[in-house]
Amino acid sequence: DADVTQTPRNRITKTGKRIMLECSQTKGHDRMYWYRQDPGLGLRLIYYSFDVKDINKGEISDGYSVSRQAQAKFSLSLESAIPNQTALYFCATSEGTGGYNEQFFGPGTRLTVL
Amino acid sequence: KNEVEQSPQNLTAQEGEFITINCSYSVGISALHWLQQHPGGGIVSLFMLSSGKKKHGRLIATINIQEKHSSLHITASHPRDSAVYICAVNGNEKLTFGTGTRLTIIP
Repeated sequence: DADVTQTPRNRITKTGKRIMLECSQTKGHDRMYWYRQDPGLGLRLIYYSFDVKDINKGEISDGYSVSRQAQAKFSLSLESAIPNQTALYFCATSEGTGGYNEQFFGPGTRLTVL
Repeated sequence: KNEVEQSPQNLTAQEGEFITINCSYSVGISALHWLQQHPGGGIVSLFMLSSGKKKHGRLIATINIQEKHSSLHITASHPRDSAVYICAVNGNEKLTFGTGTRLTIIP
């Protein structure tokens, strides 16, 4: 079984709808991250969490919110989806500081907002 | 100017060729990562290095901290090496990513 899973893997939705992307991990890592990937751009950090009680905004948090329900679960919500949020979304985990420790990525969620 | 620049953006080579992908960065870092993104979208970590050189199979990663430059080399390239290779740097506990190099190896 995969160590980092994301659901759904693909989602098509309409402008204005609320969407939740879920991430679960079995690695026992404290640190979890949400990124988005757009063609021609590098992965960009949306939100990150260093433990259950610690949530931090990344460089592109506007229009998104997150919830860290447990050490193993980190959800990303789009309160009112818009077309420019169409992208590939990745969840990742790391054991310690993201710079010194390897990050483990989920398989990605392809989101299309019409 | 992006903090992390990769070159080339696209690279096509024949099977067996020696491949070099470059990464330059403009900020102080504590570590540099090389990642591989498969055609299906999945991302795996290849290397993390803060100095010198690391080798894993046919892959070699080097970093020159003074010149703020890293290279990823692939020896005896194979079609299964076809993927996007991403450089990422850490300077403040978060990763900043390059836009990736798309590598295609032709049989």
